[in-house]
Parts: sequence; structure tokens; C-alpha cells
Amino acid sequence: DTEVTQTPKHLVMGMTNKKSLKCEQHMGHRAMYWYKQKAKKPPELMFVYSYEKLSINESVPSRFSPECPNSSLLNLHLHALQPEDSALYLCASSQVQIQETQYFGPGTRLLVL
Amino acid sequence: GENVEQHPSTLSVQEGDSAVIKCTYSDSASNYFPWYKQELGKRPQLIIDIRSNVGEKKDQRIAVTLNKTAKHFSLHITETQPEDSAVYFCAAPITGGGNKLTFGTGTQLKVEL
Repeated sequence: DTEVTQTPKHLVMGMTNKKSLKCEQHMGHRAMYWYKQKAKKPPELMFVYSYEKLSINESVPSRFSPECPNSSLLNLHLHALQPEDSALYLCASSQVQIQETQYFGPGTRLLVL
Repeated sequence: GENVEQHPSTLSVQEGDSAVIKCTYSDSASNYFPWYKQELGKRPQLIIDIRSNVGEKKDQRIAVTLNKTAKHFSLHITETQPEDSAVYFCAAPITGGGNKLTFGTGTQLKVEL
């Protein structure tokens, strides 16, 4: 299995809602990532987990809360988002060793109203 | 940190022609350079990568060349087809940054019939 999966594919939420994005991989990777991508822009790193521990937080606002319950799963909990948070949220995974290939999931397209 | 510049931002070619996209990087310690293709509404997909122990790598119609002295690497697509139309991102690792990648700003390639 060489795929990263994400659910849901699309999400519309109000600014007072709480929702979660989910990511799963079965490639045995121990590094997992959350990226945010705006239209016509490159992916922008948000968080990195290594061996299920948060290793990098790119100064992301606290309304985004990541969680890594086990080596195959990665969640992103969303609360009190702003309209400018509307974007494609991509999950990726890789081997933990540095400078290894990152494989992306299909993303969740999020619209905040 | 690493800075990656990518040119051109848009590229239009006739079907069957070749396309070349160039990236320059700043960190001489970087030694892994992936290229991702992202079709509209889809995930970034790794199409080829190169490590600094080689100067060129080919995979059918796609090749990547690396010039470590000049700190640039290029994607070459020969015999372009309409399905090659997409946004292409180069990337380079941030040394000392764990598994962080810096992405180029992207090239919108359009292959015209």
C-alpha cells in the first residue's frame, strides 16, 4: 500500500464549529505532516510528527490542534476558524530519516463561512 | 534557511515539444531534490527526485539534472503530451530542519494541441 488517505474530501464549517480532519497511511512511515495550500501556491508546512511526537510546529495558531494517536493516523482538530483559513489541507508521510521522500494524501478542501 | 527559486512561473508548449523548468537553491548542504506534479484539484505527486551523488536521472520522458556547483536543478520533459499539463513544484530540504522541505513557487505548464 503506497497511499495516504484523507477524510473528508470536502468540509464546510462555520466560524463557531468544531471539526476534525483525518489522515491515514499504511506504508510504515514514522513521520507525518500537515500542510496548508492556498490556490496557485506551494504547500505550506504546519506540523511535523516524528515517532508519534510533535517535532515541528510552524507557529500555527492554536485554533489548529494536531494529534497523532498511533503510527498510522494523524488528525487535525479545527475550532473557531476564520474565513482566511479556507484552503486545501494536505497530509503527507515519509520515513523519519532526513531528506526522505514525502508522499501526499489527496487533501481536504476546507471552506470556512 | 533554504531558499528555492523556480522559473518560469508559466510555460506553454506545443504537444511534442520539450519543457524545461529550473530551480535554484541556497543551502549547499542540501542533497535531495524532489519534483512534484499537481493536477488541478489533485494531490502533489512525486514524479522524480535526485540525490547529490548523481548529476542526472531519467525516467522515460522525464529527466532531472543537478549542478551542485551552481546550486541549481532542472526538470526536463520531452515529447510533451496534454496530460503533462499541471503545476510542477521543485523542493529542497532545509538542513538542520528535520524533515522540512522548502518548495519552489510552482510552474504552470500548459501543453497545447
